[in-house]
Amino acid sequence: DTGVSQDPRHKITKRGQNVTFRCDPISEHNRLYWYRQTLGQGPEFLTYFQNEAQLEKSRLLSDRFSAERPKGSFSTLEIQRTEQGDSAMYLCASSSRDRAGNTIYFGEGSWLTVV
Amino acid sequence: KQEVTQIPAALSVPEGENLVLNCSFTDSAIYNLQWFRQDPGKGLTSLLLIQSSQREQTSGRLNASLDKSSGRSTLYIAASQPGDSATYLCALHSGSARQLTFGSGTQLTVLP
Repeated sequence: DTGVSQDPRHKITKRGQNVTFRCDPISEHNRLYWYRQTLGQGPEFLTYFQNEAQLEKSRLLSDRFSAERPKGSFSTLEIQRTEQGDSAMYLCASSSRDRAGNTIYFGEGSWLTVV
Repeated sequence: KQEVTQIPAALSVPEGENLVLNCSFTDSAIYNLQWFRQDPGKGLTSLLLIQSSQREQTSGRLNASLDKSSGRSTLYIAASQPGDSATYLCALHSGSARQLTFGSGTQLTVLP
């Protein structure tokens, strides 16, 4: 069990550029989540996949954000035309069951700084 | 809409002290509650999961309790150590939402 892996761990980009983050969940987990966290706050939900289907999207996920999970394996989160307000840590998590008994495991996060 | 509050925002204690971290929530219709630890600049590490039918869970020096009727959970840490210094977050699955709703966390510092 290698845990949830995220890449890159840190990304500095200029405003207006596109960035993409990758998440590899724990291998037997069919549920995958993306969260965003800013300093001093708890993580905020962005989106949820069950296998390859994107079942929930937060209102925080503007049109500039898109997430995919082809073949129900790894996932990517792309941010287009980045803005300074996008600077945050993007966390990926996975789990194998829904709700009750649903221990969620997080990755180390991907830090984004938009300058 | 579920709201989760953690008080205090920061706590400093001497090594060896027993301590309690608090988490309160507004909607008692929860499925489970999970406590996490987060070290600076790192991801979240799951500590304990309490299902809605349970009252408490224990792991080593940690004990988490859940009282749905009062909308509260506590995380008890026995014999605190400097290595326990971190931010502790509680999060809930509730309603029809598949996502976790997080509190803002309690930043714990254990002084040697």
